[in-house]
Formats: sequence, C-alpha cells, structure tokens
Amino acid sequence: AQKVTQAQTEISVVEKEDVTLDCVYETRDTTYYLFWYKQPPSGELVFLIRRNSFDEQNEISGRYSWNFQKSTSSFNFTITASQVVDSAVYFCALSEVSPLSGNTGKLIFGQGTTLQVKP
Amino acid sequence: DTGVSQDPRHKITKRGQNVTFRCDPISEHNRLYWYRQTLGQGPEFLTYFQNEAQLEKSRLLSDRFSAERPKGSFSTLEIQRTEQGDSAMYLCASTKRETGLKSYTFGSGTRLTVV
Repeated sequence: AQKVTQAQTEISVVEKEDVTLDCVYETRDTTYYLFWYKQPPSGELVFLIRRNSFDEQNEISGRYSWNFQKSTSSFNFTITASQVVDSAVYFCALSEVSPLSGNTGKLIFGQGTTLQVKP
Repeated sequence: DTGVSQDPRHKITKRGQNVTFRCDPISEHNRLYWYRQTLGQGPEFLTYFQNEAQLEKSRLLSDRFSAERPKGSFSTLEIQRTEQGDSAMYLCASTKRETGLKSYTFGSGTRLTVV
C-alpha cells in the first residue's frame, strides 16, 4: 500500500542553522513521483519540488536541497542557513503511476513537519 | 487566469446544516481534485474528475458528501447534515491530463468550521 511517513512532527531551530526534514515512502509501483510542499500559516500549499522515481540526482535550489535515495525509500529535504520566513508546515507527498491506470494525479501526503525558526 | 479559485474562503455552519463549496480550476485544466485537511494532518484525497466524469472516490467520501463537475469546468462539493468532524480545510487542485503533474495547482482552500 502507498504511504508517506514524516516522523518528525515538530522541529525548532535557531536562525542560520541547517535543518533536514525526513520523508520515507512506501509504494508498490516502480514509477512514481515525489513532492515537497510548504504550507505557511495562511494555509495555501506552495509547491517546492517534484521528482520522478527514475531521477535519483540530488537537487539544489538556493538554500534548499533534496536527497532522493531509492534504496532507503527516502526523499529528505534540507534547508541551509534557515530563516524565520522558513517557518511553516512542510509536506512530503507521493503520486503513483500504476501499470493499469497510469498516473491519476492523486497525491498521498505525509502528516507534515512543523518547522519553527527562531530569530 | 490567476490560478485555482475556491469559494468561500471560510464557512461557519451549525451542525446538521448543508454546505456547498465551489472550485474554479485553471481554465484549460481537465482534471480536478478535492482534498480534505484536518488540523495537524496532511491533505487527504477525496475524489477527482476528468472533465465531467468522476473517476475515483475515496472511502472518506461518505454518503453525506457529493461532488459534481457538471460541465467539466467548475466543481462543487456538498456536505449534507454536517457534523463537527467535518471541520477541516477543503482543498481543490487542478491539472491538465496531457501535461500530468507539471501543471498541478492547488487553490487556497475553504476552511469549514462546524459549531
């Protein structure tokens, strides 16, 4: 069965610290997509990254970086030199591509990690 | 086109009342999704449409819930006889089947409070 686990419920850091948010997923399919979203207090979901299962290259975008490891079914997210504006809830999500139905676009979300960055 | 619109942004209702939410997707998007997010949880898939056809419904979508997309454009989600457990953020997303997940866009959500 498909599942996304974000074991860290809350993380608190001081500004300028690096922080890593963990994401572990389960899927039966060999083809799938992984996402990270940010949800600030205003409530909207802000897209951060989408990665397909065939691309295990790590990605860096400014202060953000992602480490995708199929061997451990993990897709971790690191914020370098955190800032107060990074305070939000972060969600990891999975979208499967099944041989029968293809990619329906249904996203399976983890429970989220609340990041608090203190000045 | 400014994105996925949801109306209203907030709704407070008394237990037992019916409520209806609306989602206007990005105009060229043929797929539309509804999710529910309760406090402290991630969004959970409820249902999705391709054009006007409802292709999948979650077991979370009890018989008090009904969703429609009559002309393949906007969609409505109705909850009948609301219960306190229905209090949540209801999120809508849309995408274009042909471009898959690349154009996947969420709306700002409708926050429902049942008192």
